[in-house]
Amino acid sequence: ETGVTQTPRHLVMGMTNKKSLKCEQHLGHNAMYWYKQSAKKPLELMFVYSLEERVENNSVPSRFSPECPNSSHLFLHLHTLQPEDSALYLCASSQGPGQATNEKLFFGSGTQLSVL
Amino acid sequence: TQLLEQSPQFLSIQEGENLTVYCNSSSVFSSLQWYRQEPGEGPVLLVTVVTGGEVKKLKRLTFQFGDARKDSSLHITAAQPGDTGLYLCASGTGANNLFFGTGTRLTVIP
Repeated sequence: ETGVTQTPRHLVMGMTNKKSLKCEQHLGHNAMYWYKQSAKKPLELMFVYSLEERVENNSVPSRFSPECPNSSHLFLHLHTLQPEDSALYLCASSQGPGQATNEKLFFGSGTQLSVL
Repeated sequence: TQLLEQSPQFLSIQEGENLTVYCNSSSVFSSLQWYRQEPGEGPVLLVTVVTGGEVKKLKRLTFQFGDARKDSSLHITAAQPGDTGLYLCASGTGANNLFFGTGTRLTVIP
């Protein structure tokens, strides 16, 4: 039990579908993150939320839309994805606000996404 | 953006052998974290090193931070099948600005 739960674990979707990934953290943290993990590439930070406000958006295409309704929940809404978006999407949380060099990240198990 | 190079990319060894994996950068690390990611799971933080020359031990794992804080190594003694996984190093100015290496994928054969 890592304290960060992601659903679904696996998702297959067509390019015209709309789907959402869900993340919930039970650690009382104030910062939450979305990362993308593709084969042969480093983990890529997509979005950062601190105290429910977005503080980082690393030039992610608009077909990815994050939502953070409260400090425990984070969503990633997906729309009109491309096959190259197929990857493992990882959610993480930290105590926050995410600016300390030794701040620990706690990851969920990820959602393995396949776009057909 | 800080580029972190990890080597080797893949490593397959027999149970009981020792191994070392490396993380290097052309820039100075503010601090460095090591993670292990098991198949089907997210990365789990193993250790954070902050001071140049620092050595930290976690059971059979020994982490070393280079004196110039541009490199780090992870040494595993008497590897076990449970050590199998992807070993990632990461560095940045904060958790909201963390850059990861591409990782070393370790397989320990029983």
